[in-house]
Amino acid sequence: DADVTQTPRNRITKTGKRIMLECSQTKGHDRMYWYRQDPGLGLRLIYYSFDVKDINKGEISDGYSVSRQAQAKFSLSLESAIPNQTALYFCATSLLAGGRNEQFFGPGTRLTVL
Amino acid sequence: SQQGEEDPQALSIQEGENATMNCSYKTSINNLQWYRQNSGRGLVHLILIRSNEREKHSGRLRVTLDTSKKSSSLLITASRAADTASYFCATLNDKIIFGKGTRLHILP
Repeated sequence: DADVTQTPRNRITKTGKRIMLECSQTKGHDRMYWYRQDPGLGLRLIYYSFDVKDINKGEISDGYSVSRQAQAKFSLSLESAIPNQTALYFCATSLLAGGRNEQFFGPGTRLTVL
Repeated sequence: SQQGEEDPQALSIQEGENATMNCSYKTSINNLQWYRQNSGRGLVHLILIRSNEREKHSGRLRVTLDTSKKSSSLLITASRAADTASYFCATLNDKIIFGKGTRLHILP
């Protein structure tokens, strides 16, 4: 599904480096989310945004920051990457229509911090 | 902390059999959703059931919701090899929270 895209798809970086993961959507949704997925832990919410001027911390925001540059773009930054941030990262969008809040996911970014 | 907890964590069944996965949650919800994830890929929304609904069907999927027990089940009938994936429940209150998932493996 090309409606939610993530770049890069894979990234290997070193401890202490700053990296940015980008997410773009063409669905016209107002809500965007960043999750990380670790084996056996399911998805955990990092940050979410309900519109361009709205940023909210999720369950595990420490060590991360986000920027909502436009309705269609939501980027996640790791200011100083550490090995335990090695994970699969997903961006998602939703539209709170009728109280559904169904989420549409991007393909994921596999991040490895050495 | 996780809201939804799926049970079992892993399930292997023969092709053609029915697969049942359960989800328990802790607080009140607006709706409960089930998602599917193929290995290493993004989650795909399968079905949503509102808090005032008890059962919902979509193709080979049947979802039930028991708000008094704070639990839901997902039944996949006549399973196929292509159903092999991880399945997650997600609860929506003020925000959406995912469980840890059930890994389903369909044996040929």
